[in-house]
Amino acid sequence: SQTIHQWPATLVQPVGSPLSLECTVEGTSNPNLYWYRQAAGRGLQLLFYSVGIGQISSEVPQNLSASRPQDRQFILSSKKLLLSDSGFYLCAWTPGQSSEKLFFGSGTQLSVL
Amino acid sequence: RKEVEQDPGPFNVPEGATVAFNCTYSNSASQSFFWYRQDCRKEPKLLMSVYSSGNEDGRFTAQLNRASQYISLLIRDSKLSDSATYLCVVKSGGFKTIFGAGTRLFVKA
Repeated sequence: SQTIHQWPATLVQPVGSPLSLECTVEGTSNPNLYWYRQAAGRGLQLLFYSVGIGQISSEVPQNLSASRPQDRQFILSSKKLLLSDSGFYLCAWTPGQSSEKLFFGSGTQLSVL
Repeated sequence: RKEVEQDPGPFNVPEGATVAFNCTYSNSASQSFFWYRQDCRKEPKLLMSVYSSGNEDGRFTAQLNRASQYISLLIRDSKLSDSATYLCVVKSGGFKTIFGAGTRLFVKA
């Protein structure tokens, strides 16, 4: 069966520090991968999606970047965190574009202080 | 106007009650519709898809009204364990999946 792993679960970082969140999927190949952010009391906002290695699409301009160095690995990064980067970050996957259902990792609660 | 709008609640209901949530969406070209459940500080999990003909899964019934562009979720015989935030989700094709901000439900003994 397929599983998705995301870490760390919580992270407290100072403003201006770098960020690296990692997500891996097991039990499948060539998944579509996504990074979402959920601010307190708000809906999930799609940040990035990827349909293959090295292929990254950004949905909103921001202080973050994403990379997909391997088929089942998706990384969210920032060189310098801002206070506004605080939120709940969720990695998700789908088997393909035709698949409609998203499967989420357990999330990372990021607090930038 | 938000692409997907939900009443944030909270809905406070006693055990055994029936509760209904509505959600409206703005894109008439939307193709797929879902309800997800999210517990506090946890990831969203798929509760059920929503089909044009309406569909039921145990105590949960989902309906879609394309003409009026709204989706509903009905929960019968509420349990304490139903307490969560319910997210309305709309997919418009491609990779664009839009999440509502969620409706909070508290079921009390």
